[in-house]
Amino acid sequence: GQQLNQSPQSMFIQEGEDVSMNCTSSSIFNTWLWYKQDPGEGPVLLIALYKAGELTSNGRLTAQFGITRKDSFLNISASIPSDVGIYFCAGQLTGANSKLTFGKGITLSVRP
Amino acid sequence: DSGVTQTPKHLITATGQRVTLRCSPRSGDLSVYWYQQSLDQGLQFLIQYYNGEERAKGNILERFSAQQFPDLHSELNLSSLELGDSALYFCASSVAGQVGGNEQFFGPGTRLTVL
Repeated sequence: GQQLNQSPQSMFIQEGEDVSMNCTSSSIFNTWLWYKQDPGEGPVLLIALYKAGELTSNGRLTAQFGITRKDSFLNISASIPSDVGIYFCAGQLTGANSKLTFGKGITLSVRP
Repeated sequence: DSGVTQTPKHLITATGQRVTLRCSPRSGDLSVYWYQQSLDQGLQFLIQYYNGEERAKGNILERFSAQQFPDLHSELNLSSLELGDSALYFCASSVAGQVGGNEQFFGPGTRLTVL
């Protein structure tokens, strides 16, 4: 099935650093969402974006819905050890089928 | 805690067998979605139910089926299991699902191992 593009597969940063992750698609979405998954757990919703160009923050997290509606980015500022995990982007269309289409995820490691 | 519950947490079974995974959505949510997560395919949408009715189908095999009951809990039935069906199965729920996208909240998942 269709997937969104997230790269690189892994990122390694130092505690206190900022990190940005990008997500791109060949098709348009009406909603972009970012999830974080810890080992053995389900994805946890971090941020949802509903409008092209929208910039939304949730604590140290900031995400933007791209103008073309084909991309989104997530920024984590002043990283801490508990930011470790897999970050997934997901796109969603409005309408009867509101399934999520996911990227393959980026595994973030934070060195203390 | 998302408010979505799934049982069992782990399931180990043999090829050819049939299993049932159960999901209870968040209170008030009418839509239930099932996803499969494997190492090679990532998170893939399987099927969606809204208020008891099938709403959309994704990459769901014919050996798999689901239903949503009047109390809104859902079950995913996997039959004639193959080794390749080993994966994490997640249920998610949202308020809407008929018109308009809504945020989906995921349960903790069921890890299925087929031996």
